[in-house]
Amino acid sequence: GPKVLQIPSHQIIDMGQMVTLNCDPVSNHLYFYWYKQILGQQMEFLVNFYNGKVMEKSKLFKDQFSVERPDGSYFTLKIQPTALEDSAVYFCASSLEVGVFAEQFFGPGTRLTVL
Amino acid sequence: GDSVTQTEGLVTLTKGLPVMLNCTYQTTYSPFLFWYVQHLNEAPKLLLKSSTDNKRTEHQGFYATLHKSSSSFHLQKSSVQLSDSALYFCALSDPGTQVVGQLTFGSGTRLQVYA
Repeated sequence: GPKVLQIPSHQIIDMGQMVTLNCDPVSNHLYFYWYKQILGQQMEFLVNFYNGKVMEKSKLFKDQFSVERPDGSYFTLKIQPTALEDSAVYFCASSLEVGVFAEQFFGPGTRLTVL
Repeated sequence: GDSVTQTEGLVTLTKGLPVMLNCTYQTTYSPFLFWYVQHLNEAPKLLLKSSTDNKRTEHQGFYATLHKSSSSFHLQKSSVQLSDSALYFCALSDPGTQVVGQLTFGSGTRLQVYA
């Protein structure tokens, strides 16, 4: 079936550095999402993105976070600067449609460790 | 706000036995419920979904029935296999507050099946 890829699978960085998490969504999908999962907790919505714009973001999407998808390439989540509490697994998802019943296809996640 | 509760963190079973993974939710509006399954080192994948009260939904031997009266969407299977060992997430989408398909996840239940 359709696959979402995430690069890298693991990333370790020092606090205060910048990090970019990359997502290669399903090729014909139009809507893109990031979720954050702290160890032992549930996955939480961060942001969704369509047509070059953020549509909706949660309170977890701090000012240090930004998303973009330049020219149909990777959908990226950038954190600058990073903080210790940013350590988590970040899941990217994409969907062809939007709405309450639209199926979101998830990537395997990027485990980010901030030291 | 919306919430999803999965009471079991870990369920262990011998293959061939039936299983039920609990999911209850809280929302102000009409709910759309999903079950996702995540095998080790893989992406979460949609297992099944429903928005119809008291109607059983089935896929790959798993089934669930949305009961709005009890705000529940428990996942069941009559005979588990070794390959069913995975992490199972219940998730909610709510048209009242999440027009663009933001999912609210439970904390997940790990199902471990033994021979």
